[in-house]
Amino acid sequence: DTGVSQDPRHKITKRGQNVTFRCDPISEHNRLYWYRQTLGQGPEFLTYFQNEAQLEKSRLLSDRFSAERPKGSFSTLEIQRTEQGDSAMYLCASSWGRSGNEQFFGPGTRLTVL
Amino acid sequence: AQTVTQSQPEMSVQEAETVTLSCTYDTSESDYYLFWYKQPPSRQMILVIRQEAYKQQNATENRFSVNFQKAAKSFSLKISDSQLGDAAMYFCAYRISGNFGNEKLTFGTGTRLTIIP
Repeated sequence: DTGVSQDPRHKITKRGQNVTFRCDPISEHNRLYWYRQTLGQGPEFLTYFQNEAQLEKSRLLSDRFSAERPKGSFSTLEIQRTEQGDSAMYLCASSWGRSGNEQFFGPGTRLTVL
Repeated sequence: AQTVTQSQPEMSVQEAETVTLSCTYDTSESDYYLFWYKQPPSRQMILVIRQEAYKQQNATENRFSVNFQKAAKSFSLKISDSQLGDAAMYFCAYRISGNFGNEKLTFGTGTRLTIIP
């Protein structure tokens, strides 16, 4: 399967714990995106990478959130000191080439903070 | 700020019939892209159709077509000959045009489409 993959698919954690999610984009896709989707809502943009450079961050991305894409391939999203409001589906997407090309989405990581 | 509004939380259609999902958006930009994404239950989101704002011709992909009204800022999706596999959440999305920056998609709240056998 050469699609976008995310790990883990589900994560249950206690409030105050740190969690880290991983996204593997489609091979050779130079752009990678993170979105958050809460129940009954559409996805909301969090951040975006072009290769290893983080080019855009949403105001939703508080200082408890950090994302990296160290070698321009896979990416990690870390949430420190989780809160119940962080419970959501975290979606990763990737694209290539020029602006406007299709973003291919992964299956998401569902986070539940107890 | 750009916003996308989907005013139909739920829609249903008989199998083989036609259904239209509505979407309106607000932007001050003149060049942008509009998308319809499909999110089946417990499955990942996939692109259904894309429209570039500078193109007057409405996009078509097999049974899926759009009615793009730029002046009215309206972007509806028509699904013809509905099939059971079309059952899903449908999201309308917007993004500004241009390279390097402004890459984010802005989504609506979605419309849940049910297909009645």
